[in-house]
Amino acid sequence: NAGVMQNPRHLVRRRGQEARLRCSPMKGHSHVYWYRQLPEEGLKFMVYLQKENIIDESGMPKERFSAEFPKEGPSILRIQQVVRGDSAAYFCASSQQGAFYEQYFGPGTRLTVT
Amino acid sequence: AQSVTQLGSHVSVSEGALVLLRCNYSSSVPPYLFWYVQYPNQGLQLLLKYTSAATLVKGINGFEAEFKKSETSFHLTKPSAHMSDAAEYFCAVSDRVGQFYFGTGTSLTVIP
Repeated sequence: NAGVMQNPRHLVRRRGQEARLRCSPMKGHSHVYWYRQLPEEGLKFMVYLQKENIIDESGMPKERFSAEFPKEGPSILRIQQVVRGDSAAYFCASSQQGAFYEQYFGPGTRLTVT
Repeated sequence: AQSVTQLGSHVSVSEGALVLLRCNYSSSVPPYLFWYVQYPNQGLQLLLKYTSAATLVKGINGFEAEFKKSETSFHLTKPSAHMSDAAEYFCAVSDRVGQFYFGTGTSLTVIP
């Protein structure tokens, strides 16, 4: 049973470009969560999605950031017009329906903005 | 609101010595509590979790943690440290909604 998949593992973008981070949840999991880890800090919750629904986006910056989890395909975290402060590791986790406390994490995408 | 405080951002122990990593939480509802381990350039791996069953929770790799409501603590212990335990450890708390709140992490160094 494959775990949570994230790609790319490393992403380099210049300031002003767009970054797209992908997350494929574990088989049978319908809930996805995105977290951001800044250097020397813990993970910070960004957004919680179910298929075709955003359940909680209280941790998402109000501008430039968006997330989706379509009926088919991976969840996408999109960052428009990236800035240096967006450089971080972005982790995705997934869980089964009704088992939000059983979150399994992917290996992360390390975004570097130059 | 939920939050987690991990005391000690860096902990060093000798190989074979007791490992104690501290975690205190605050929660407005009965919490779910977790310990995760992160190896360099990898994702988080669940060590153990407390979900309102037994207060002493045993996890993988010989780790365990005890939920103490009166102290609002969930400290992680291992009787004998191994070199392979060197990693970053994160404590997390969750409410019923699904959002995890993580501490800032404790980096464990094991000295040969």
